[in-house]
Amino acid sequence: QKEVEQNSGPLSVPEGAIASLNCTYSDRGSQSFFWYRQYSGKSPELIMSIYSNGDKEDGRFTAQLNKASQYVSLLIRDSQPSDSATYLCAVSGGYNFNKFYFGSGTKLNVKP
Amino acid sequence: EADIYQTPRYLVIGTGKKITLECSQTMGHDKMYWYQQDPGMELHLIHYSYGVNSTEKGDLSSESTVSRIRTEHFPLTLESARPSHTSQYLCASSELGGKFFGPGTRLTVL
Repeated sequence: QKEVEQNSGPLSVPEGAIASLNCTYSDRGSQSFFWYRQYSGKSPELIMSIYSNGDKEDGRFTAQLNKASQYVSLLIRDSQPSDSATYLCAVSGGYNFNKFYFGSGTKLNVKP
Repeated sequence: EADIYQTPRYLVIGTGKKITLECSQTMGHDKMYWYQQDPGMELHLIHYSYGVNSTEKGDLSSESTVSRIRTEHFPLTLESARPSHTSQYLCASSELGGKFFGPGTRLTVL
């Protein structure tokens, strides 16, 4: 079982819709959760971090964390074609405190 | 401006050559990392360092070596490049939170 699981996609949404990206993790003791955006051929860019249960909003992005269900999600409101990228979920601070695990990423396509 | 830099951005080299990929960060982070990523594939951790004179191998076996003599500098060296080393190499740094990545070096070994 992988430490972090993501659906590889592609997830296709029309422009202006809400894109919902999901991630589950296996280490119940994990404490820090991150979302990265990676455009094709580029390096990952940190876009959101969340550390406690609930929602965290930043512009059009909302990260949601449910530690009881071991589930993290990223919502992108008013999706734009420029949001088309691969989104990586990352988790750290669990049983092996120094470990930092990346998911394999979900590819998002926003259609004009 | 605090940032993380990698040079060269692109490198095409022949088999058997020795190469060093440079990575520097101005954020004062103690922790630095090297990842390898093929197009459309997952990130694989190949080396990391938690501070000066500290280096460890990552999850993916690699024939490369690293050094950490200064906090801001974490170079990666391949003693004898082979076509199987063709990939994108990403350097990252962190403190307490998420990792910040450099722009990457795309290496092609002919």
